[in-house]
Amino acid sequence: EAQVTQNPRYLITVTGKKLTVTCSQNMNHEYMSWYRQDPGLGLRQIYYSMNVEVTDKGDVPEGYKVSRKEKRNFPLILESPSPNQTSLYFCASSWQGNAGNQPQHFGDGTRLSIL
Amino acid sequence: DQQVKQNSPSLSVQEGRISILNCDYTNSMFDYFLWYKKYPAEGPTFLISISSIKDKNEDGRFTVFLNKSAKHLSLHIVPSQPGDSAVYFCAATLLTGNQFYFGTGTSLTVIP
Repeated sequence: EAQVTQNPRYLITVTGKKLTVTCSQNMNHEYMSWYRQDPGLGLRQIYYSMNVEVTDKGDVPEGYKVSRKEKRNFPLILESPSPNQTSLYFCASSWQGNAGNQPQHFGDGTRLSIL
Repeated sequence: DQQVKQNSPSLSVQEGRISILNCDYTNSMFDYFLWYKKYPAEGPTFLISISSIKDKNEDGRFTVFLNKSAKHLSLHIVPSQPGDSAVYFCAATLLTGNQFYFGTGTSLTVIP
């Protein structure tokens, strides 16, 4: 089954404790992206990757890191999480970022609470 | 500043009637627009898209209209069904770019 898998689905942690949210897709997609969803703000793009070893900042990259060492994986790293990073996070993938007939497939989300 | 806006946080419609969801954008360079549907505890799923060279795109019960001069798009669902109850996000991008800008979402409730 074609899917984007995020782990963990839920995490409660404390300020300053490094964490990684993993994202894996099995569709051989080139493009992958991370978003956060906050009330009243909708979905905002954090980082995206056009292909292996190619990453770029989205609208709200501060406080996050990503890496793309393999095509299928695109982890999101919070080196020193803070309470304002409490949010619902989504990973997405597609063949290409700007291909009109190849929309993004999203994972089911990771709810992060930073205390 | 939010480049894509959905000014109605929620909408209720009777089953069988038309649902109209609206979306406005500020960046006149955007040339591709998408609608996604999201159920609770799931990720968004793609619904329909439209390129700026068109003013209408139809897929079954779903039609998207684009008014470039007004920087406005709308999603029409006819007839509405209870299973359409979800949050709908519009998104905009540049066909030559790689960033996507989403609206704040509209929660649609279709009343049986």
